Amino acid sequence: NAGVTQTPKFRVLKTGQSMTLLCAQDMNHEYMYWYRQDPGMGLRLIHYSVGEGTTAKGEVPDGYNVSRLKKQNFLLGLESAAPSQTSVYFCASSSASGDEYNEQFFGPGTRLTVL
Amino acid sequence: AQTVTQSQPEMSVQEAETVTLSCTYDTSESDYYLFWYKQPPSRQMILVIRQEAYKQQNATENRFSVNFQKAAKSFSLKISDSQLGDAAMYFCAYKRNDMRFGAGTRLTVKP
Repeated sequence: NAGVTQTPKFRVLKTGQSMTLLCAQDMNHEYMYWYRQDPGMGLRLIHYSVGEGTTAKGEVPDGYNVSRLKKQNFLLGLESAAPSQTSVYFCASSSASGDEYNEQFFGPGTRLTVL
Repeated sequence: AQTVTQSQPEMSVQEAETVTLSCTYDTSESDYYLFWYKQPPSRQMILVIRQEAYKQQNATENRFSVNFQKAAKSFSLKISDSQLGDAAMYFCAYKRNDMRFGAGTRLTVKP
């Protein structure tokens, strides 16, 4: 049981390049989330998904796109990277019901630098 | 919009002593959840403790306990018998629909 995994762990991009971050979970969770963490600001929600084929915007969605084609995977895309997107990105998942509904399980994070 | 405020950017505690981390939040809702997460240098976010707003009893998990004051919208974390492994960033979080995090408190534990 690997929990929540993220690929890659580190990445350096040039301004204007594109990339996709992959999140995978093996806990059969319905909900998945993408956050970014910047110094002094805690974690902020970018996009989230409440089920396969559905996505919704969070607090800071501009410049990002997401897709949830399979229940276990949640992809975060940057079409044209900007230096302001330099951050640590976290994926999380949670159950849709039961005692675990309100607990989010986090991946190890991806450090992205945009030059 | 709900906001979460952690007014202590840094805190320090002597090993085996007790420390309290502060958190306040702003909401007009009556039903919500509050969390404390720990983030060590490995970056992994680890759930420390959870509190349901409809429960008056303060949550406890071994050496970790909270002081939940609903009317004051305050949710502080007390760490007793501090250990070197407690050194980390601590984030307070509020959840009604989505999760909102505070800016974090960096805790240093001195041997």
